[in-house]
Amino acid sequence: QKEVEQNSGPLSVPEGAIASLNCTYSDRVSQSFFWYRQYSGKSPELIMSIYSNGDKEDGRFTAQLNKASQYVSLLIRDSQPSDSATYLCAVNIGRSQGAQKLVFGQGTRLTINP
Amino acid sequence: EADIYQTPRYLVIGTGKKITLECSQTMGHDKMYWYQQDPGMELHLIHYSYGVNSTEKGDLSSESTVSRIRTEHFPLTLESARPSHTSQYLCASRLGNQPQHFGDGTRLSIL
Repeated sequence: QKEVEQNSGPLSVPEGAIASLNCTYSDRVSQSFFWYRQYSGKSPELIMSIYSNGDKEDGRFTAQLNKASQYVSLLIRDSQPSDSATYLCAVNIGRSQGAQKLVFGQGTRLTINP
Repeated sequence: EADIYQTPRYLVIGTGKKITLECSQTMGHDKMYWYQQDPGMELHLIHYSYGVNSTEKGDLSSESTVSRIRTEHFPLTLESARPSHTSQYLCASRLGNQPQHFGDGTRLSIL
C-alpha cells in the first residue's frame, strides 16, 4: 500500500461545476497535509495547507480533512479552464518531528471543459 | 513567494559529460530535496538533506550525487551523463515541517 494515494484520473469537470479531488494516507499520526497544483511543464506550487479536522476555505478552494478516516480532499468551486492541471496531495509522514518527510501522491489530472 | 533558484533552466549536452545542476535558496531552510520527474509522470525523490553535511538517498535509485556544504546550496552532480538521465529535475526546500517550496526546475536532455 502506498503511503499517499490519489486517483490518477483524468478527472473531467464542466466549467462552473465543483471539482472534487480525493487523497488517502496510511500513517495514522500524520498532522500536516498540503495540496499542490502543477501545470504541465511547470513545478508544483502550494495552494492549500490543512492541519485540523474539518474544512478550510481559501477563495474557490476548500480543503477537507478527516483524520479518523485518513482522508483529505480538495474542492474547487466554480471551476475555470485555468484550473486544468495536476493536483498533488502531500502528507507529512513519520513520528519524529525532525525526521518527518513530505510524501507526495501520484497526482490527479484535472481537466475543466468550457 | 519562495526564493529558490535553479540553474540552468534548460541543458542539452552530450553523453559522457559531467554535469552539475545548481540549487540555492535564500530563506534559511534546513531541509532541501531533489526530485526527478518525467513528463506526465509522478515525482520521484532522489536525494534529500536535513542540514549541512547531511545527505541521504531518496526513494528512487539515482546515479547522481549531492553535497550540502552550505545551508543555502544543494548542487546535484552527474559524473557521466547518459541518455537515460534525460528528465526534469526539481529542487525544493522547507523549514522544519512547514510546506515545501519548489524551484522552477532544470530540464535536462542528454544526446
